[in-house]
Formats: sequence, structure tokens, C-alpha cells
Amino acid sequence: AQSVSQHNHHVILSEAASLELGCNYSYGGTVNLFWYVQYPGQHLQLLLKYFSGDPLVKGIKGFEAEFIKSKFSFNLRKPSVQWSDTAEYFCAVLDQTGANNLFFGTGTRLTVIP
Amino acid sequence: SAVISQKPSRDICQRGTSLTIQCQVDSQVTMMFWYRQQPGQSLTLIATANQGSEATYESGFVIDKFPISRPNLTFSTLTVSNMSPEDSSIYLCSVAGGNEQFFGPGTRLTVL
Repeated sequence: AQSVSQHNHHVILSEAASLELGCNYSYGGTVNLFWYVQYPGQHLQLLLKYFSGDPLVKGIKGFEAEFIKSKFSFNLRKPSVQWSDTAEYFCAVLDQTGANNLFFGTGTRLTVIP
Repeated sequence: SAVISQKPSRDICQRGTSLTIQCQVDSQVTMMFWYRQQPGQSLTLIATANQGSEATYESGFVIDKFPISRPNLTFSTLTVSNMSPEDSSIYLCSVAGGNEQFFGPGTRLTVL
């Protein structure tokens, strides 16, 4: 089974600071990669995804992520965060075994201070 | 994309009782998933429910505790049986579509 690691449990940044959240996964085969965001009191929303092609993926709200196969990583980045980015961020991996199961990381809580 | 609704949105239950959570999707889907998100933790897959077959449970989850129904391609239920405070969690329904998963708003369960 997959395992997904998010190394940062809680990140606190000031507005306009740059953000990078780490995500590593364990599966060596073909994977689909996702970042989900959960704003306070709201349900999970897809931020961006990677299936194939350009390893640098751009998502909504200025977020991007880079898939580095050799490092089994899919880190999330944003050059300048806003207070409204305060949320919980989850990395998820869908392996290609046919079960269509998403494996989630433990999540990173981002707090942006105005 | 898929629009998913869940009922109830939240509930407070007594120990030893059971709660059935409903999940309704606005389109027909083959695979539906039930997740649990315990306080301060990530999402954990409970089971996968395909229409017309028994649900497939992940390690640590059993049918007697979390019976699931999948009567058609747009609806599923998850029952949390004989609840204890450790079952306090958010329960989410999810559907697969085009190598993505879409999530419902969740049911926040508190067991006293």
C-alpha cells in the first residue's frame, strides 16, 4: 500500500511570504498526485493534480506543484501567500493498481498572519 | 465533476447507539468511498462501495461496525454501529470520476 508523508504539521507565515509544503510518497509505479485544500468549516476541494506530462503543475489560486519522480516528491508552492490561504492542505496519491484508492498524507495546517 | 450531498451534516449521539449517514450523488457513479477524518488527523479510507456487490473494507474496519449499503448508482449509506466516543469524527463520502475523487461536505459525528 501507499504511504504519503507530509513533513510539515503546522506552518505559520506572514502575508506575502513564499510557501513550500513537502509531500513524499512511497509507491514506485505510476501514480496520480493531488493536493487538496480544506478551508475552515468547508469540505475538501481539489487544488491541483498531476497525471502525466509537464511535471510542473499549476492549480487554482496561484498554487503550483512539482512532481520529481526521482525523489518521489510532489511539493506544493505559492510565491506569495494571502490571509485567505489559511487552511489545511492534504497531499494525496492514487496508485494505478486498479483499486482507485486515494491515500492521504496527514495534512499541513497553514496559518497566514495578516 | 460530481455534486455530493450528505445527511445529516452533523449529529450528537449517545454511546451504544447507531447512526446511518446518507450520501447522494447527482450522477451515476460506479465507485463510492467512505472516509473518516478523526480530529487533527488525515483522511482514512473505511471502505469502497460498488453497486451490486459487497463493500470492500480496509484494514482495521469491519462490516459489523460499519455496514454499508449501495442500492443504486447514485446513493450509499454508512452506518456507525454501537458507537463509542472514539467514533467521534467526520465521515466523508467520495466518488471517483476520471481519475479524480470528489468529496461530500462530510458528517460531523460526536459521540458522548
